[in-house]
Amino acid sequence: ETGVTQTPRHLVMGMTNKKSLKCEQHLGHNAMYWYKQSAKKPLELMFVYNFKEQTENNSVPSRFSPECPNSSHLFLHLHTLQPEDSALYLCASSRAQGDGQETQYFGPGTRLLVL
Amino acid sequence: QQQVKQSPQSLIVQKGGISIINCAYENTAFDYFPWYQQFPGKGPALLIAIRPDVSEKKEGRFTISFNKSAKQFSLHIMDSQPGDSATYFCAASWQTGANNLFFGTGTRLTVIP
Repeated sequence: ETGVTQTPRHLVMGMTNKKSLKCEQHLGHNAMYWYKQSAKKPLELMFVYNFKEQTENNSVPSRFSPECPNSSHLFLHLHTLQPEDSALYLCASSRAQGDGQETQYFGPGTRLLVL
Repeated sequence: QQQVKQSPQSLIVQKGGISIINCAYENTAFDYFPWYQQFPGKGPALLIAIRPDVSEKKEGRFTISFNKSAKQFSLHIMDSQPGDSATYFCAASWQTGANNLFFGTGTRLTVIP
């Protein structure tokens, strides 16, 4: 248990569906991240929130919409996804001291399949 | 452009042997190099990390070797055990307000009894 939980753990959705992924951290961290993990590719950083403010959006398509209502919760809203969006979506958190060397703690991920 | 290149993609080692995974980077602004370990069904977990002011860091059976001039770093697992079977990711980041980690593509290690 890393202190970062993600729900659901598995999700199957059609291309016209709308769903949301949830992440919660119990570590008192103030930075949270969404990553996409696909087979044989590096983990791709999607979004970064620092003290609830979005600080990074790495050219992610608008069909992915993040929301960070407070420092402990992070959501990823999904709509009109494509089959190539099927992947493991990982949430992470860190203390965000600002020196780029904080340990990131990852959740177990949500395995997403888009049909 | 991939910021961090990792090899090999997969590795099979006999129990008790040494596992070696290599990474290379281009961006000289990187100043933090962590290794993450990921088991099936779990998220990556920090294993060991190094800063470029030292050439080696050892924690138990795990050692990072760092070559700043060659822009390369490697993970050595001594006395490899079946429980070490996992996917290993190297990563790199630089000093910034946001902790942007650039990951390698991962190495799937299998330690056979």
